[in-house]
Amino acid sequence: ETGVTQSPTHLIKTRGQQVTLRCSSQSGHNTVSWYQQALGQGPQFIFQYYREEENGRGNFPPRFSGLQFPNYSSELNVNALELDDSALYLCASSHDPYGQGTETQYFGPGTRLLVL
Amino acid sequence: KQEVTQIPAALSVPEGENLVLNCSFTDSAIYNLQWFRQDPGKGLTSLLLIQSSQREQTSGRLNASLDKSSGRSTLYIAASQPGDSATYLCAVVDSNYQLIWGAGTKLIIKP
Repeated sequence: ETGVTQSPTHLIKTRGQQVTLRCSSQSGHNTVSWYQQALGQGPQFIFQYYREEENGRGNFPPRFSGLQFPNYSSELNVNALELDDSALYLCASSHDPYGQGTETQYFGPGTRLLVL
Repeated sequence: KQEVTQIPAALSVPEGENLVLNCSFTDSAIYNLQWFRQDPGKGLTSLLLIQSSQREQTSGRLNASLDKSSGRSTLYIAASQPGDSATYLCAVVDSNYQLIWGAGTKLIIKP
């Protein structure tokens, strides 16, 4: 069974640029969630996708957007990058029958983004 | 607004000791509480999930308790080993079905 994978592992961008991060869910999982983790802090929920639809969103501006594909892989897009967007971005997948986010989530290793 | 706090922020103990990590949350309306382990460069690993109707869960040397009414959970690690060194995070699924996280406790087990 393949676990959750993310790409790229590291990324450096400049302020104002756009970035796309990718996540491949664990086989059989229909739900994917994205989190932002700043250094020394716990993760912050960005949004969740369930069966290709956004199914909950945290306190992040619209320049954070996402997609979930029919094979349940996912993308996180961030436009107009700001310095404070520098963080570890984590993707997690789960098999969630009702899209409620109450099932155990399995995390990828993350993408570390640095905005200069 | 749900807030999750973990104390202490860091802990260093000799190998072999039993230890307790603490987690508190402000709103008792949760669906479950989860404990995770985070190793550098390896993402997060789920350790234990306690449903809101449960009082505790055990896995090997780990035991997690939940007191929903008081907004507290503890993670007990028995006979600690150097391989237990990591950051331990707790998180609750709140009434909006969102996972709300603490900042973590960085644990160092000294050989």
